[in-house]
Amino acid sequence: GENVEQHPSTLSVQEGDSAVIKCTYSDSASNYFPWYKQELGKGPQLIIDIRSNVGEKKDQRIAVTLNKTAKHFSLHITETQPEDSAVYFCAASRGNDYKLSFGAGTTVTVRA
Amino acid sequence: EAGVAQSPRYKIIEKRQSVAFWCNPISGHATLYWYQQILGQGPKLLIQFQNNGVVDDSQLPKDRFSAERLKGVDSTLKIQPAKLEDSAVYLCASSLGDRGRFSYGYTFGSGTRLTVV
Repeated sequence: GENVEQHPSTLSVQEGDSAVIKCTYSDSASNYFPWYKQELGKGPQLIIDIRSNVGEKKDQRIAVTLNKTAKHFSLHITETQPEDSAVYFCAASRGNDYKLSFGAGTTVTVRA
Repeated sequence: EAGVAQSPRYKIIEKRQSVAFWCNPISGHATLYWYQQILGQGPKLLIQFQNNGVVDDSQLPKDRFSAERLKGVDSTLKIQPAKLEDSAVYLCASSLGDRGRFSYGYTFGSGTRLTVV
């Protein structure tokens, strides 16, 4: 099955700096790569996703890049703010109606 | 649009007892998932329904876990008997899941935190 590895497990950044989280996956058939943000006591919330026919996608301060050849994808958060503090999960899927395989998560702390 | 509703929010039981969780997905979402999230880990799929049929239950410990989705809407997940290692957050998610449609996005509920003592 799919194996998703995520690094780092914890990340502390100064407010205004950038944060980068990296994931690798094993299943070459995976073609959908979402990122989720999970705050304490809440379920994961989709913040951005990318499909295999796209190399990069941006939405305001967050961006995701995908390298299918190397089987890795990354989340970039620019101009970090205290409200960006949360646990972030990457995931991979073969697409419609297939399960998501999640990474272990990255705890991001933005220092004011 | 209302989100995915789950209840209860918290549950504490003794080992060997039974427990049930309930999920009401977003209206019109054909696909429903139950995930188990152990503290400090990413969610892991337990079971996936497409309408009221099971698509994937390969990771469900069937000797103690069961799930159903009657009428293709609400779903319940049951554990009987519970073990200490079942302590986790149980997340329900739903998606449009209509094969052939270009729609991948899941919506998760807030989860039920189970503590087995």
